Amino acid sequence: EVQLVQSGAEVKKPGESLRISCQATGYSLTDYWIGWVRQTPGRGLEWMGITHVGYSDSRYSPSVQGQVTISADKSINTAYLQWSGLKASDTAMFYCAWALDGTMWWADWGQGTLVTVSS
Amino acid sequence: QSALTQPASVSGSPGQSITISCTGTSSDIGDYNFVSWYQQHPGKAPKVMIYDVSNRPSGISDRFSGSKSGNTASLTISGLQAEDEADYYCTSYTRSSSPDYVFGTGTKVTVL
Repeated sequence: EVQLVQSGAEVKKPGESLRISCQATGYSLTDYWIGWVRQTPGRGLEWMGITHVGYSDSRYSPSVQGQVTISADKSINTAYLQWSGLKASDTAMFYCAWALDGTMWWADWGQGTLVTVSS
Repeated sequence: QSALTQPASVSGSPGQSITISCTGTSSDIGDYNFVSWYQQHPGKAPKVMIYDVSNRPSGISDRFSGSKSGNTASLTISGLQAEDEADYYCTSYTRSSSPDYVFGTGTKVTVL
């Protein structure tokens, strides 16, 4: 079974940079996708983007395009979600999810990373 | 891309059956059998309950079932139990926007 381990909670100030991570264990190949999902307090789930870990094909939601960078390092089975200038409105819980290449469902999820942006 | 439409809340008594709908368009649910359903308890990560419209992953109770008709998918929970109280989200593959998937608005299931 694949396990996704996300980096810990972060507290940042507006304008600061941040990179959070999601490492997949229990699967030795790199033919899978990692999706990043945002959830704000009391709100639903929103896809931010997805990336193929093996060949680093990243696709973004129009709502975050240009605001974040999604990347992956296949040598360590880790995906990243990065901001270069955080805003208070980026405060949310972020989940990563795992899908095997060729499937269209998200079989495993990370535990979530809470990002708080406040002055 | 607009979110798929789900009822905000559904409730039922223990032992009853409930159905949650998820309405999309011909660009997503209507044209692909790639609907999956996720259960989320408060403070926890989502967990897949149904994939590809009607398939259950290993370990998921057969009380959970899925179906699709036209642009609407449905999740049915039979023999409702207290532990089923949670939020449920559908998601579908879509050809109309990046990043290829769209979530439903979410449904709060309450066990009376």
